[in-house]
Amino acid sequence: GAVVSQHPSWVICKSGTSVKIECRSLDFQATTMFWYRQFPKQSLMLMATSNEGSKATYEQGVEKDKFLINHASLTLSTLTVTSAHPEDSSFYICSAPSGIQETQYFGPGTRLLVL
Amino acid sequence: AQTVTQSQPEMSVQEAETVTLSCTYDTSESDYYLFWYKQPPSRQMILVIRQEAYKQQNATENRFSVNFQKAAKSFSLKISDSQLGDAAMYFCAYRSPNWGTASKLTFGTGTRLQVTL
Repeated sequence: GAVVSQHPSWVICKSGTSVKIECRSLDFQATTMFWYRQFPKQSLMLMATSNEGSKATYEQGVEKDKFLINHASLTLSTLTVTSAHPEDSSFYICSAPSGIQETQYFGPGTRLLVL
Repeated sequence: AQTVTQSQPEMSVQEAETVTLSCTYDTSESDYYLFWYKQPPSRQMILVIRQEAYKQQNATENRFSVNFQKAAKSFSLKISDSQLGDAAMYFCAYRSPNWGTASKLTFGTGTRLQVTL
């Protein structure tokens, strides 16, 4: 299957700082990528749809100014958590569709801890 | 909007036995896709099986098979000959057809599967 990577796998930062998470499709191109947030023992919550060369589409309730998404190339999307606070601590996962049926493949996730 | 319901928060199965995980969904669309994803303790989401709604035949992948009942809007996952490595969180997911742009997944709340010796 297709491979999606994320970097970093975990990050600890101080409150008020910004953190950038990268999502890469390694062996395919993706004009669209998806960003999810997952709290412990809960399901994945879609945050936004990242579109190559255009603005991201955010889900209701997700602050676009806080969670900046940039999809600068066909293999890279970035999520920047700006002015992070402890409540932003979570597990962030990206996915990208691949193949004729555009099945979504997921990155390994990034664990963010804001102190 | 589509919804996906997994009514079993936790399930347990003995090694080598068979277990069935339930999933129901609600949609007004006639064409769509259904998926089962597995999330082990590593938290990497892994595709287990995929079903296209227009196909009457139930999908099968080795020890994993589905019972797709379109009229009942039911999509259960059967795991045969359960192995310790099957222990994970299992998510059922729904996706609309792609119309020019990739469609997002709608996930259920998940079922935690425990495999015992």
